Amino acid sequence: DAGVIQSPRHEVTEMGQEVTLRCKLISGHNSLFWYRQTMMRGLELLIYFNNNVPIDDSGMPEDRFSAKMPNASFSTLKIQPSEPRDSAVYFCASSFRPKGTGDTNTEAFFGQGTRLTVV
Amino acid sequence: LAKTTQPISMDSYEGQEVNITCSHNNIATNDYITWYQQFPSQGPRFIIQGYKTKVTNEVASLFIPADRKSSTLSLPRVSLSDTAVYYCLVVTGGGNKLTFGTGTQLKVEL
Repeated sequence: DAGVIQSPRHEVTEMGQEVTLRCKLISGHNSLFWYRQTMMRGLELLIYFNNNVPIDDSGMPEDRFSAKMPNASFSTLKIQPSEPRDSAVYFCASSFRPKGTGDTNTEAFFGQGTRLTVV
Repeated sequence: LAKTTQPISMDSYEGQEVNITCSHNNIATNDYITWYQQFPSQGPRFIIQGYKTKVTNEVASLFIPADRKSSTLSLPRVSLSDTAVYYCLVVTGGGNKLTFGTGTQLKVEL
């Protein structure tokens, strides 16, 4: 498996434009996480899905941000309209969450990230 | 979710053993402890996971005392390539939600 694949690797856009970030999960994984990393705020969890269902989106900054999982292996994070303060590195990560409540797996695999610059 | 506290930075030299301690005073009974490593311009990478006592893998060891209010990540004989940020996380048992803190910047010198 090629690991978690994110695209694009770099994105420069003008304020007000729509931005779509993409993520392909590792085959067989059933959990998907979107993170944002900046020097000031560190690594922030934006949203995470289990089995294609959003479980916790409390980290999504505002209505300008939306995330979807159209199928079990793919996700998008959309920012519309984008603003300069959205500039950051966006990571997605996937993992396998065991069905049994007695099992805990904390190993997630991260993509290489998308560096977003909004000017 | 248990809050974690770890040193902001640490310095070491090649060949030394490095121990990074993390405090998680309000850890719950079914919480697990996990550590991640992040190099510049890369996503975090899983190092090790534990619940109690000692866990060892090919990369590191994790020591967890009986009260589980802290944990120590031990890196044997570090090299320059171990320079990275190390994150300690507490995860609810049966779950897999990862919430990162500020991490410890480890710098290894010759």
